[in-house]
Amino acid sequence: TQLLEQSPQFLSIQEGENLTVYCNSSSVFSSLQWYRQEPGEGPVLLVTVVTGGEVKKLKRLTFQFGDARKDSSLHITAAQTGDTGLYLCAGFGVKLVFGAGTILRVKS
Amino acid sequence: DTAVSQTPKYLVTQMGNDKSIKCEQNLGHDTMYWYKQDSKKFLKIMFSYNNKELIINETVPNRFSPKSPDKAHLNLHINSLELGDSAVYFCASSQNYGDQETQYFGPGTRLLVL
Repeated sequence: TQLLEQSPQFLSIQEGENLTVYCNSSSVFSSLQWYRQEPGEGPVLLVTVVTGGEVKKLKRLTFQFGDARKDSSLHITAAQTGDTGLYLCAGFGVKLVFGAGTILRVKS
Repeated sequence: DTAVSQTPKYLVTQMGNDKSIKCEQNLGHDTMYWYKQDSKKFLKIMFSYNNKELIINETVPNRFSPKSPDKAHLNLHINSLELGDSAVYFCASSQNYGDQETQYFGPGTRLLVL
């Protein structure tokens, strides 16, 4: 069974701070996705990374796929209150497997 | 227009009852999914259909039975509901099944079994 460990589980920071969320596994994934979920809604895809070492940027968000395609990170620069939500990483082996999520709270 | 819709949004019922959740997507996708999100926000796949064929059937109790009458619909029927079935159930769809597909999630059905 492929498992994804996400850390930290909960993060509370001030607006303007930087943060990094980690997603680790002992398994190799053919791709890794990051989703953001707001209360009362379903997850929404932010990015898909497929190549080991790949880095993708989405405005203030930077996503990296590990060289061995076993881990990934999400870095947010100058967090804003609108970034508040649940961030989920998901790896595709034979199916999409989700991490347990990181609850991010950005305070003004 | 809502891309992936689910009904009902909330479902409160007694133990032992049978209930159904409906899902429809208007994106023209070939693949649909059911996920369960528990109280700790852990999201786990239950079933997936591709072109109305079951392609993923995780280890869930056989009280849960999916049904896909056509590519745009995937319903979930649950028999003899138990307390542990309380969760948020999400339907999702993607164009095809694969590692680079974007899955579009519905708003979720919040099931509470009393």
